[in-house]
Amino acid sequence: RKEVEQDPGPFNVPEGATVAFNCTYSNSASQSFFWYRQDCRKEPKLLMSVYSSGNEDGRFTAQLNRASQYISLLIRDSKLSDSATYLCVVNKYGNKLVFGAGTILRVKS
Amino acid sequence: EAGVTQFPSHSVIEKGQTVTLRCDPISGHDNLYWYRRVMGKEIKFLLHFVKESKQDESGMPNNRFLAERTGGTYSTLKVQPAELEDSGVYFCASSLTSGIYNEQFFGPGTRLTVL
Repeated sequence: RKEVEQDPGPFNVPEGATVAFNCTYSNSASQSFFWYRQDCRKEPKLLMSVYSSGNEDGRFTAQLNRASQYISLLIRDSKLSDSATYLCVVNKYGNKLVFGAGTILRVKS
Repeated sequence: EAGVTQFPSHSVIEKGQTVTLRCDPISGHDNLYWYRRVMGKEIKFLLHFVKESKQDESGMPNNRFLAERTGGTYSTLKVQPAELEDSGVYFCASSLTSGIYNEQFFGPGTRLTVL
């Protein structure tokens, strides 16, 4: 079983739609969680950090459920520019990030 | 503020050759990390420096890989001799703080192809 699991997608949504991704992690001792965005052949870019129950930044909301060991990312009012791969990342042992394989989002006009 | 930079952006070498990758972290970031993504797999941790000291090298695949960070500024990752399975994208990241709440910022990566 992978340490961080994500639905690979792709999620194909129209502009303006709301879309949600889930991610589960296996190690209950994990302390901090992140969503990174990665465009094709580019580096991962930090989108949101999730330290407590959740975090909101504009159209993006991340929620953490420690009891069920999952993290979600909600994107409202999707834009064409939101098309990317979204990586769920867990900080398990202080400095070592553990990455999920990513969820592909395609927003279409 | 300049981000993390990496050089070269691409490298194509033959099996058995040596390659050295370089990473310049964000100015002031004492923490520097190397990660790797091989084809079809997740990004995986290789090692972590705090200044010039290796804090965690548990992800280094074998002794063909040598990372250094002399002077606590830029870092190099040498692969010698390179094997076919070393092909992938090597990312460097840096962070201001360490610990569970550190936010790591990634460089553009070096795409290594071993033929």
